[in-house]
Amino acid sequence: DSGVTQTPKHLITATGQRVTLRCSPRSGDLSVYWYQQSLDQGLQFLIQYYNGEERAKGNILERFSAQQFPDLHSELNLSSLELGDSALYFCASSVAPLGEQFFGPGTRLTVL
Amino acid sequence: AQTVTQSQPEMSVQEAETVTLSCTYDTSENNYYLFWYKQPPSRQMILVIRQEAYKQQNATENRFSVNFQKAAKSFSLKISDSQLGDTAMYFCAFMKLLNTGNQFYFGTGTSLTVIP
Repeated sequence: DSGVTQTPKHLITATGQRVTLRCSPRSGDLSVYWYQQSLDQGLQFLIQYYNGEERAKGNILERFSAQQFPDLHSELNLSSLELGDSALYFCASSVAPLGEQFFGPGTRLTVL
Repeated sequence: AQTVTQSQPEMSVQEAETVTLSCTYDTSENNYYLFWYKQPPSRQMILVIRQEAYKQQNATENRFSVNFQKAAKSFSLKISDSQLGDTAMYFCAFMKLLNTGNQFYFGTGTSLTVIP
């Protein structure tokens, strides 16, 4: 158990819908990262937050957005969902931007 | 743009033997970090080892060690005394340092099977 929690574990929805994935970092960690792992593929870095501020962006679609709240939990919002958005979404946290990342168990999103 | 290439989609090794997983990357950056992550069937991502580009000494963590060749942009992972629990996907990752944060680039992974 890494100490990073993600909810829900599984999510099934339809095309065109909007969902919110939630991540609670380890206690004391200020930095949160979001990744997307499509079937049988490596991880795609989406976005990084540090203490509530966006710090880096990767291959995040315009239909996706994220934020980190004052209590440091983070949410990833996915809208106008497409079949290709079906993937495992990971959140990771670290105490500082260069610190070791600890990954959560992931949220498996299935878009039908 | 940074790219990370893992040219071995699948590998196998006998228990107790040694195996080396390859990773090459392309970057114009001089300062960066490299990582190997393990993803067992549970899908949990676990950090295996990390290497700072400014360090010439190769990182070592118990049975895991790397061969970091900065000029060749190569970062291979050696697993010694392979154990059944080492069976997993292994991902090589590159971290680019930005003024404000970090960007990560992952390879497509190598599926390692340890044979009893």
